[in-house]
Amino acid sequence: AQTVTQSQPEMSVQEAETVTLSCTYDTSESDYYLFWYKQPPSRQMILVIRQEAYKQQNATENRFSVNFQKAAKSFSLKISDSQLGDAAMYFCAYKGNQFYFGTGTSLTVIP
Amino acid sequence: DTEVTQTPKHLVMGMTNKKSLKCEQHMGHRAMYWYKQKAKKPPELMFVYSYEKLSINESVPSRFSPECPNSSLLNLHLHALQPEDSALYLCASSPLPPTAFNEKLFFGSGTQLSVL
Repeated sequence: AQTVTQSQPEMSVQEAETVTLSCTYDTSESDYYLFWYKQPPSRQMILVIRQEAYKQQNATENRFSVNFQKAAKSFSLKISDSQLGDAAMYFCAYKGNQFYFGTGTSLTVIP
Repeated sequence: DTEVTQTPKHLVMGMTNKKSLKCEQHMGHRAMYWYKQKAKKPPELMFVYSYEKLSINESVPSRFSPECPNSSLLNLHLHALQPEDSALYLCASSPLPPTAFNEKLFFGSGTQLSVL
């Protein structure tokens, strides 16, 4: 089975600074997608960004970007110009035949 | 309408009660999911419906009974639950079948369930 590992249970960042959340995964599948979901205190899981494995170009959505290293099976999320509303639990997820979620990183934004 | 709506938002029930959770989407999605999530843990898949047919049951105890009456509605019937079943129950939908590797999940806000 595929595994998704987030090695940082908690992270903090000063408002307006940049933070990077780490994610690694293990798979033998050749086609798959990777996602970052955000879960704020409202509890709804919100899609932040997704990356297609066969695309070498890193995905970007406004202040959110990823560093996708396919050979290393690494998929980190960079949040630039952090805002108070970015405080949330962030889950890395893998989708091949099934969805697999990482254990999550709790991000605190310090005013 | 781009929302997945779950009701109720909170539910407290005794171990002998019967209750139901409801999930609705009007995005034309044909795959719908139930996840269970404990605090500070990732969601755990329970059931998947694809085109209104149960396609995945992750060995969930029979005290949880899913139902998909139509393509927009998903229910989770609860009976004789245990305190350890207390959790956030999330519903999700997807425009693509569960087997599509580029499938994207749209989540509701969940039902916070407490079993006393």
